[in-house]
Amino acid sequence: ETGVTQTPRHLVMGMTNKKSLKCEQHLGHNAMYWYKQSAKKPLELMFVYNFKEQTENNSVPSRFSPECPNSSHLFLHLHTLQPEDSALYLCASSQVAPGPGNQPQHFGDGTRLSIL
Amino acid sequence: AQKITQTQPGMFVQEKEAVTLDCTYDTSDQSYGLFWYKQPSSGEMIFLIYQGSYDEQNATEGRYSLNFQKARKSANLVISASQLGDSAMYFCAMREAYFNFGNEKLTFGTGTRLTIIP
Repeated sequence: ETGVTQTPRHLVMGMTNKKSLKCEQHLGHNAMYWYKQSAKKPLELMFVYNFKEQTENNSVPSRFSPECPNSSHLFLHLHTLQPEDSALYLCASSQVAPGPGNQPQHFGDGTRLSIL
Repeated sequence: AQKITQTQPGMFVQEKEAVTLDCTYDTSDQSYGLFWYKQPSSGEMIFLIYQGSYDEQNATEGRYSLNFQKARKSANLVISASQLGDSAMYFCAMREAYFNFGNEKLTFGTGTRLTIIP
């Protein structure tokens, strides 16, 4: 497989469930990201991992818990979510290096999450 | 104030015509980068083109070009000879302080939905 792969593509869960989103990148990148995309709102950065270390937590509620076991895999653990958490969750990766930051982030297809 | 503004929520363009998607940005940094992404209905964000604030030439990638006007803080995407497959959401994004190693935060606009009419 190539690029950035996200599973599952669709997820429906109740507010009391626990589930995890998975992201895998096959590009040899050293940084990974979680974004939330809600209708009619700009893409919101949630978490950034550089070299497996979390470098950004954009005021995300604790019901979202990221995990980055290695530079190729990223998880988003979900528990006791709210209806307003229904959105498309996008994973991305990029190569971070000194110098001009002209390396684009490469995105997966996203997981469309619906909270009942 | 919004850092990235895309004022066109939706556009309809005849196939084979050129189209310009507007993007204005707000930053006090001298070094920054601007990106355009395409998002088809499938959901994936596809990188199209990049422009650095110090780049003297406007960026071009195939049918995509970026009309970069630094003084006006605008970075409009131009698609030449539009095709039906160009129908999608288009997002402008900015990375500030892009010489700072590890600063990978992208700020996105709200997007423009482009529909190509046969």
